[in-house]
Amino acid sequence: EAQVTQNPRYLITVTGKKLTVTCSQNMNHEYMSWYRQDPGLGLRQIYYSMNVEVTDKGDVPEGYKVSRKEKRNFPLILESPSPNQTSLYFCASSPQGADTEAFFGQGTRLTVV
Amino acid sequence: AQSVTQLDSQVPVFEEAPVELRCNYSSSVSVYLFWYVQYPNQGLQLLLKYLSGSTLVESINGFEAEFNKSQTSFHLRKPSVHISDTAEYFCAVKGSNDYKLSFGAGTTVTVRA
Repeated sequence: EAQVTQNPRYLITVTGKKLTVTCSQNMNHEYMSWYRQDPGLGLRQIYYSMNVEVTDKGDVPEGYKVSRKEKRNFPLILESPSPNQTSLYFCASSPQGADTEAFFGQGTRLTVV
Repeated sequence: AQSVTQLDSQVPVFEEAPVELRCNYSSSVSVYLFWYVQYPNQGLQLLLKYLSGSTLVESINGFEAEFNKSQTSFHLRKPSVHISDTAEYFCAVKGSNDYKLSFGAGTTVTVRA
């Protein structure tokens, strides 16, 4: 089954404790991205990757890192999480071409206390 | 850069009544338009998309949206809603030369019996 898989689905952590949210897709898509969803703000792009070893900042990159060492994986790293990073996070992938749809993971609900 | 405005944050509606969700976009280039649906505790799923051709596009579950270039709108409609249509709906836009999806703030549809 074609899918984007995120782990974990739920995470509660403390301020300053490094964490990684994994994302993997099995559709051989070139483009991958991370979004955060906050009430009243919709989804905002954090980082994106056009292909292996090619990543760039989205609209809200502060406090986040990513890497793209393999085509299928695109982990999101929070080196020192803060409470304002409490949010619902989505990973998405899409094939090449602007006229393509994005496929989303099930989401990771992160709470930083 | 593109932007999206969803004009209604909450839309309560009775079962079997019609619903319209309004979406306006801004862009300096040609666009591709999407509606995504998010059911409770799930990821985003593509509902329908406009890429080119006929300005009226339909989904398999009875939704339709019409691309209006002069009014820069892509409103979503369903003539008769079901309880199962309760969800959050996101309008999204991509520029024709871009991979990035820009989302509106979302519209929560609550269908009551």
